[in-house]
Order: sequence, then structure tokens, then C-alpha cells
Amino acid sequence: QVQLVQSGAEVKKPGASVKVSCKTSGYTFSGYYIFWVRQAPGQGLQWMGWINPNSGDTDYAQNFQGRVTMTRDTVTRTAYMELRGLTSDDTAVYYCARDPTVSTSEGILAYWGQGSLVTVSS
Amino acid sequence: DIVMTQSPDSLAVTLGERATINCKSSQSVLYGPKNKHSVAWYQQKPGQPPKLLIYWASTRDSGVPDRFSGSGSGTDFTLTISSLQPEDVAVYYCQQYQSSLRTFGQGTKVEIK
Repeated sequence: QVQLVQSGAEVKKPGASVKVSCKTSGYTFSGYYIFWVRQAPGQGLQWMGWINPNSGDTDYAQNFQGRVTMTRDTVTRTAYMELRGLTSDDTAVYYCARDPTVSTSEGILAYWGQGSLVTVSS
Repeated sequence: DIVMTQSPDSLAVTLGERATINCKSSQSVLYGPKNKHSVAWYQQKPGQPPKLLIYWASTRDSGVPDRFSGSGSGTDFTLTISSLQPEDVAVYYCQQYQSSLRTFGQGTKVEIK
């Protein structure tokens, strides 16, 4: 079955960087974009961007341009999201997600990782 | 950016009664090649990732109970829970995937009256 398993919680100081991983299984890794969404405590969902695991192409939301990098490792079937220059506003649960089987790159988020809590605190 | 605005922010419904959540997009989300609207609905319970309920505005995802239905066209969309069950207590989000920057509504909290 399709699974997306994310790395564990992290605590970072302001100005630091964090790299969250999303290890996939149960499907052809190169066949589906990986999307990243975050959710601050008690808040709604915020789109961050995506990576095409086949080509490595990426697209980032304007809010994160220059601070985020999404990469992938096709051997380990793992996607990564690195966010730099952290501030307290970046404290959030970060999710990776994938389309349902009937699509590949729409951004319909059918399969989700369990989430990775990143806390930014001095 | 396409702004998705949900209403109401919260609602309390008696068990077995209908719950209706609205979502308005700031511009058309019609995907021409499919003649379908690029709108999805998610359910999120505390401590869990969101769960996909509906996509293409009205297509129920696999395994989603048929008491959940989506409708709408143009810029106005609706998620309906026909007969509210205790397990439906959650926050519900709409999302558009028409534009490169996919955006979400602010969420609607559904509770039992």
C-alpha cells in the first residue's frame, strides 16, 4: 500500500535550517509529484510547493522563494524539504503528500505523511 | 493568487441532520480540458493529517461514505454531510488546484449540537 513516512520532530534556533524527509513506498516513486504543505499550531493549511521526482523539477510558493529547497533521492525513494532562515513563524507541522492513483500532478492530496513538527525557539 | 473563502467558520449540527459548508473562489477554477472544477475537500481531525473526501468538486474519493457529497460550479462550491455522525466532528477545508499556487480555505469546524 502507498505509504509516506516522515522524519521526526525537530527543535531549531532562529536563523537555523531544517531538512524534513518523506520516505515513500508502495508505488512507483517517479510517477507522482510530491507536494509539501505546512500547518502552524491551531491554524489552517499553507501550500509550500512540489517536486517532480522523475525530473527533479520544482515549483515553490512565492512566500517561500529563496528559503526553501525541495530535492529527492530516487534510490531511497525519499523526498526532502529544506527550509532556511527559520523564525518563530516557521513553527509548524510540515506534511508531504501525493495525488490519488487517477492523477499524478494535480495537487489533489490523497496520500499524506504523518507530519513532522518543527519548533523554532531560542 | 486564488483566494478560497469558506463559510461559516464553524457550525453545530444535530446528529442525523444535514451539515452544509460553502466555499467561494476569487476566480474561476474550471479546468477546461476536463470541463471540471479543480476543487477538493478535506477532513482533518486533531493530531491527524487531512483526509481527502472530494475532488473535481464532486468526485468522492475511494472509501469515503456516501453521506459526503460535493457540488457547485463557477466560483461557488458546497460540501454536504447528509446525516451527521459523531465521527464527522472535524475541521473541513476546501482547496483549489487550478493554479500553480494551490490554496486552501481557512477551514470550517463542525461540531455536534
